Amino acid sequence: NAGVTQTPKFQVLKTGQSMTLQCAQDMNHNSMYWYRQDPGMGLRLIYYSASEGTTDKGEVPNGYNVSRLNKREFSLRLESAAPSQTSVYFCASSRSTGGTEAFFGQGTRLTVV
Amino acid sequence: RKEVEQDPGPFNVPEGATVAFNCTYSNSASQSFFWYRQDCRKEPKLLMSVYSSGNEDGRFTAQLNRASQYISLLIRDSKLSDSATYLCAVNSGGTYKYIFGTGTRLKVLA
Repeated sequence: NAGVTQTPKFQVLKTGQSMTLQCAQDMNHNSMYWYRQDPGMGLRLIYYSASEGTTDKGEVPNGYNVSRLNKREFSLRLESAAPSQTSVYFCASSRSTGGTEAFFGQGTRLTVV
Repeated sequence: RKEVEQDPGPFNVPEGATVAFNCTYSNSASQSFFWYRQDCRKEPKLLMSVYSSGNEDGRFTAQLNRASQYISLLIRDSKLSDSATYLCAVNSGGTYKYIFGTGTRLKVLA
């Protein structure tokens, strides 16, 4: 049971570099989310996609872009990485938005130096 | 005021103890509530949903108090393996976003 799969698991970037975090789910879920988790800050929503073809900003979208490539895949792009984007990134999915539980991927530990 | 708040702890309890956590939310339009468990350096995993009538799963009981706008998690007969961080999640009413608390850390001591 793969569930939600994120790649890569670890990444080190230099300031100004770009990268894309990949996320795929095999549960036929409609909604997908990107969160970042920092010590003392909890999980903060970056972007979400209520359904295929739609994306919306969350609490902390600045510096990020997303693409809902199809129903399974939702990617997060950092165009010009900054040290403030050092964090653990989690992708999640749910059958629908809000009313049903969300399931998380294993996370990507990103360090920007 | 944060939309969802939790006491960060840590709560240090002996094995076999009963421990309870609360999570307060500010948006009265919130409709869905969840408890997640997160182990160190791992992803959050759903522990249980919180229904209006309450929810029990073995040693775990979750309740919702709409009047006071909080949810609670009660763990009975604590095990060493219950040591983790417990996150509450609230559906931001009127939108389609889950808002998480910062988590409450539990340490069960032998």
